[in-house]
Amino acid sequence: DGGITQSPKYLFRKEGQNVTLSCEQNLNHDAMYWYRQDPGQGLRLIYYSQIVNDFQKGDIAEGYSVSREKKESFPLTVTSAQKNPTAFYLCASSIEPSYNSPLHFGNGTRLTVT
Amino acid sequence: LAKTTQPISMDSYEGQEVNITCSHNNIATNDYITWYQQFPSQGPRFIIQGYKTKVTNEVASLFIPADRKSSTLSLPRVSLSDTAVYYCLVNRDNYGQNFVFGPGTRLSVLP
Repeated sequence: DGGITQSPKYLFRKEGQNVTLSCEQNLNHDAMYWYRQDPGQGLRLIYYSQIVNDFQKGDIAEGYSVSREKKESFPLTVTSAQKNPTAFYLCASSIEPSYNSPLHFGNGTRLTVT
Repeated sequence: LAKTTQPISMDSYEGQEVNITCSHNNIATNDYITWYQQFPSQGPRFIIQGYKTKVTNEVASLFIPADRKSSTLSLPRVSLSDTAVYYCLVNRDNYGQNFVFGPGTRLSVLP
């Protein structure tokens, strides 16, 4: 089955530690995205990548970093500079980097930082 | 930047048809209207997309009037498993690149 795999489902870290969230897709999609969701709220875009070795900041990129070395992988690092890292993180992909191209989401990673 | 407005919450009963309307007065000529469904602790799932008039698939119908300033997602004969948050997407961010997700409509289907 084609899809997006995010791991782990739950992640716990101490404040001050960097943590990397995994996102892998086997849909052969060009574009990939990272969103953050806080309780009762919509999704906010962190970073997106339209093609391998290229990525752009979204609305809330501060305190996060990404890489896109392979088409199928788009890991997100939450650094210690992110002031409120506890949230639900969602990775998505689309067949092409068009705003009219439907997004395919993974099932998320819930990060808790204490 | 186009803005969408949809009800924060709706209640319905099993077996009823549910219509969720989204207002998007500033929709641009090139914009499509896309709806997603999200269950708790899961990623949103694409439901339907349209540009004008009516689109129907196995899950839902999407009605778009000629002026395209609003759209209505119609879910026929809902069941308890349709309880979820539904997002209407039209507006893009300031770079014209990506969708902006609002808080969506929380649909509760009651027995």
